[in-house]
Amino acid sequence: EVQLVESGGGLVQPGGSLRLSCAASGFTFSSYWMHWVRQAPGKGLVWVSRINSDGSSTSYADSVKGRFTISRDNAKNTLYLQMNSLRAEDTAVYYCARVLPPTGTLPAAMIKRLFQHWGQGTLVTVSS
Amino acid sequence: DIQMTQSPSSLSASVGDRVTITCRASQGISNSLAWYQQKPGKAPKLLLYAASRLESGVPSRFSGSGSGTDYTLTISSLQPEDFATYYCQQYYSTLGITFGQGTRLEIK
Repeated sequence: EVQLVESGGGLVQPGGSLRLSCAASGFTFSSYWMHWVRQAPGKGLVWVSRINSDGSSTSYADSVKGRFTISRDNAKNTLYLQMNSLRAEDTAVYYCARVLPPTGTLPAAMIKRLFQHWGQGTLVTVSS
Repeated sequence: DIQMTQSPSSLSASVGDRVTITCRASQGISNSLAWYQQKPGKAPKLLLYAASRLESGVPSRFSGSGSGTDYTLTISSLQPEDFATYYCQQYYSTLGITFGQGTRLEIK
């Protein structure tokens, strides 16, 4: 069974830093692109960042570019999100998500942007 | 970024009703459209992708259609467990993934 378990959330002051982790199990972690998606309280889903399977390529939403860094440790089956210079508007539940496996019918590039499995989320609150 | 606009933002319906939710993209997305269901306090769940392809394990009362910029999610006969918030997502653009603002489906 695929499991994604986020941790590392909490209360942090504006300008502070936090590192989120996502422990993966039940699948070959090193074969899948991974993403972070966030959801502010009472609001919708917002894509944050993604990383390819070996960690050599990353991408970020404009709102976090230059402040957040996504990384992974395939030996530890763990995804990370280092968040620096945090702002009040970064307050949200942060989900890690695994993409679909290859379907044989959809282009691989598109499968890598579809979220089949999600963690339970970890809440980050940025407030003084 | 491609903007995704869902309508309605909220909807009241009864068990057994047929319900349709619409999602419009700011430019054509060539059926690169997924639908997710989210219940309070839970992570989203993938329902459909490629506009009309049902994810494994999702009941057949859920269906999707559309092309170009306009897409719909239909629930043919609402069940009590279907009351939730639904999001569309475009995955066409390599510049960024975007979601609709959500449609909250409530019990009438």
